[in-house]
Amino acid sequence: SAVISQKPSRDICQRGTSLTIQCQVDSQVTMMFWYRQQPGQSLTLIATANQGSEATYESGFVIDKFPISRPNLTFSTLTVSNMSPEDSSIYLCSVATAGSGYGYTFGSGTRLTVV
Amino acid sequence: KQEVTQIPAALSVPEGENLVLNCSFTDSAIYNLQWFRQDPGKGLTSLLLIQSSQREQTSGRLNASLDKSSGRSTLYIAASQPGDSATYLCAVPTNFGNEKLTFGTGTRLTIIP
Repeated sequence: SAVISQKPSRDICQRGTSLTIQCQVDSQVTMMFWYRQQPGQSLTLIATANQGSEATYESGFVIDKFPISRPNLTFSTLTVSNMSPEDSSIYLCSVATAGSGYGYTFGSGTRLTVV
Repeated sequence: KQEVTQIPAALSVPEGENLVLNCSFTDSAIYNLQWFRQDPGKGLTSLLLIQSSQREQTSGRLNASLDKSSGRSTLYIAASQPGDSATYLCAVPTNFGNEKLTFGTGTRLTIIP
């Protein structure tokens, strides 16, 4: 299965600022997924990122707030913009290897606290 | 819309006991189901992946079963250890052929030494 390096592992940020989270995969993958996990909750999909096209956002998430870049088949970034305390969550990237039949691999997560 | 439920939400057992975690899903048209482990504040570690054509998968002390027709999966942990303490999540593809995942609510497991 793929190995994902996610950075940073955690950060404490001031409200109104932005944070960019990076995910590097050790193999080429078509789609990368970005999830949010709010305190005490399960995971919610933010968007799906394909290389060479705009990300597809889920209901409740918008590009201005969560811009995503996917410059190649091994790398993606998620930016959390104009942060507020409500953005305090764990953010995770994920890939599916060899199609979904081979399961999903997740990054180690970014624990974001907005003060 | 696929919905995934996990029962119980929390479970505490003495070390050495065997235990079962449950996962149910509403749409049985899935092609796989995956169990993950999450330590506090961390990412997800894949434990077991069961394809729709399989009834169970085993890895060490872990055994996962899948009954598509009834929309259920179980994760059996044998001879539990304190290091097994974590939150366990099950997930299925949101729509058949769609690669998005729908996650269960999780079971927070505590193994008491």
